[in-house]
Amino acid sequence: GAVVSQHPSRVICKSGTSVKIECRSLDFQATTMFWYRQFPKKSLMLMATSNEGSKATYEQGVEKDKFLINHASLTLSTLTVTSAHPEDSSFYICSARVRVAENIQYFGAGTRLSVL
Amino acid sequence: GNSVTQMEGPVTLSEEAFLTINCTYTATGYPSLFWYVQYPGEGLQLLLKATKADDKGSNKGFEATYRKETTSFHLEKGSVQVSDSAVYFCALSGPYMEYGNKLVFGAGTILRVKS
Repeated sequence: GAVVSQHPSRVICKSGTSVKIECRSLDFQATTMFWYRQFPKKSLMLMATSNEGSKATYEQGVEKDKFLINHASLTLSTLTVTSAHPEDSSFYICSARVRVAENIQYFGAGTRLSVL
Repeated sequence: GNSVTQMEGPVTLSEEAFLTINCTYTATGYPSLFWYVQYPGEGLQLLLKATKADDKGSNKGFEATYRKETTSFHLEKGSVQVSDSAVYFCALSGPYMEYGNKLVFGAGTILRVKS
């Protein structure tokens, strides 16, 4: 099946610093990638939809300037958490869709962000 | 808006026991329904899906039937194995014109199978 690689798997940073998370589709081209946030014992919440070559579409309540998303190529999307604070600590997961008609998303293994 | 409710876990079963994880949904129109599984340290994987009423999705011994009348998509397996221990997520998508291909997830149910 389609493989999505997410890096790093875990990151610890100081408050006020920025952290970049990469999401790569390894064996397919993904015109659309999705970024989710998962809180402990809670569901995945969609943060934004990232389309290659255009600006990301953010869900209501998600700060665009806090969570910068770039989808520069058909195989790479990045999420940058800017000026991270402890409340940004969470599990971030990306996914990629192969074809619109198929409507199946392939997920990365997630990134555990801890902000001290 | 669209939402998914699934039974809270953890669910703990002995090997070869019967598994049911309940999932109900709220949505307009006719959404597509999914079960995803997340094994420890891995990303979510699609387990099965159904795109219209009365469809049955099946994979690896798991089954779920799209019940429009009860707005449910319960996951079942006749005989679980230790290797089935994971977190199971019920999800829905659609209708496309209103929601695109966005997935809405349930909270996830932890399954623990003991030998």
